[in-house]
Amino acid sequence: DAGVIQSPRHEVTEMGQEVTLRCKPISGHDYLFWYRQTMMRGLELLIYFNNNVPIDDSGMPEDRFSAKMPNASFSTLKIQPSEPRDSAVYFCATGKGTGGSSEAFFGQGTRLTVV
Amino acid sequence: AQSVSQHNHHVILSEAASLELGCNYSYGGTVNLFWYVQYPGQHLQLLLKYFSGDPLVKGIKGFEAEFIKSKFSFNLRKPSVQWSDTAEYFCAVNGKGGATNKLIFGTGTLLAVQP
Repeated sequence: DAGVIQSPRHEVTEMGQEVTLRCKPISGHDYLFWYRQTMMRGLELLIYFNNNVPIDDSGMPEDRFSAKMPNASFSTLKIQPSEPRDSAVYFCATGKGTGGSSEAFFGQGTRLTVV
Repeated sequence: AQSVSQHNHHVILSEAASLELGCNYSYGGTVNLFWYVQYPGQHLQLLLKYFSGDPLVKGIKGFEAEFIKSKFSFNLRKPSVQWSDTAEYFCAVNGKGGATNKLIFGTGTLLAVQP
């Protein structure tokens, strides 16, 4: 398996622009997590899905952030409009929740810079 | 509230020194515990995990961790560190069973091993 695939790896955008981050989970994994990593705040859970349904989005910082999972093999995290403080590495991770026990497998991350 | 505390934010050791990184958690119910490692510029990778059974868990690269339920702790240890262990280490917890599988991370401990 190719693992969790995120795109793009790097994104530089201007303040106010829309940014879309993409994630392809490992086949068969029914949990998908979006995390944001910064020096100041560490690794923050933004939102997670189970069987394509958002379970907890309490970590999404503002209404500018939205996430979707239209099917089992694709998820997006969108920021509109983007701001410089959104600059961070965004990780997607997926896991298999059978029996409630699941380790998460991480993608390579998307390094977002908003200027 | 669900949380993970890592008390050491930055640790500097010489090669061959012993390592212990602290991790305490707050999470209602029965838990699974994890240690992840993030090498410079890379994504998070699983180091070891505890689901049930023997509370002393052995992972890759000579790492081990001990689950002490009464102390809500899951400290990471290695008897002799190497320069290649320089990385950031994250403790994480999620719950067993049910529809939710929220994986919560600590803020991380940055380990620098000096040759």
